[in-house]
Amino acid sequence: ETGVTQSPTHLIKTRGQQVTLRCSSQSGHNTVSWYQQALGQGPQFIFQYYREEENGRGNFPPRFSGLQFPNYSSELNVNALELDDSALYLCASSLFKGWNGYTFGSGTRLTVV
Amino acid sequence: GIQVEQSPPDLILQEGANSTLRCNFSDSVNNLQWFHQNPWGQLINLFYIPSGTKQNGRLSATTVATERYSLLYISSSQTTDSGVYFCAVAETSGSRLTFGEGTQLTVNP
Repeated sequence: ETGVTQSPTHLIKTRGQQVTLRCSSQSGHNTVSWYQQALGQGPQFIFQYYREEENGRGNFPPRFSGLQFPNYSSELNVNALELDDSALYLCASSLFKGWNGYTFGSGTRLTVV
Repeated sequence: GIQVEQSPPDLILQEGANSTLRCNFSDSVNNLQWFHQNPWGQLINLFYIPSGTKQNGRLSATTVATERYSLLYISSSQTTDSGVYFCAVAETSGSRLTFGEGTQLTVNP
């Protein structure tokens, strides 16, 4: 059974650019959630996808968007990057909207300069 | 939204000592998880424990849902236990996880 995998592991972008982060869910999981973790803080919920539909969104602007594909993998897109977007981005997968808990990937560390 | 408070914020132990980490939450939950974040950033799931008691080796956890708190016990701590421990909950009406601010544990040899 494979776990949650994220790519890339590290990324450096310039302010104003766009970025796409990718996540492959754990085998058998149909729900993917994305979180942003700033240095020294707990992860903050960005949004969740269940069977390719958005199922809840946190307090993030529309320039944060996402997709879930038929194989339940997911992408997080961030447009018009700002310096404050520098953070660790974590992907988590689960069965049916969190039933029996979430499994997290290793994250993508994004630095915006 | 739901509030999650963890204590203590920092904990320094000698190898072999025992510790208790606490998580208080402000509303009913249908999911509570304890995670250990390693130095590379990965959140390792320790327990899925919306209620009751579970044990896994040197670690155990208890959640008293009616009183809105959970405890994580670490016995005979090792240096590899160092890192940040997070409690995260999901409200009964939703599915997003809300995290506490974490407990930074340092175990010295």
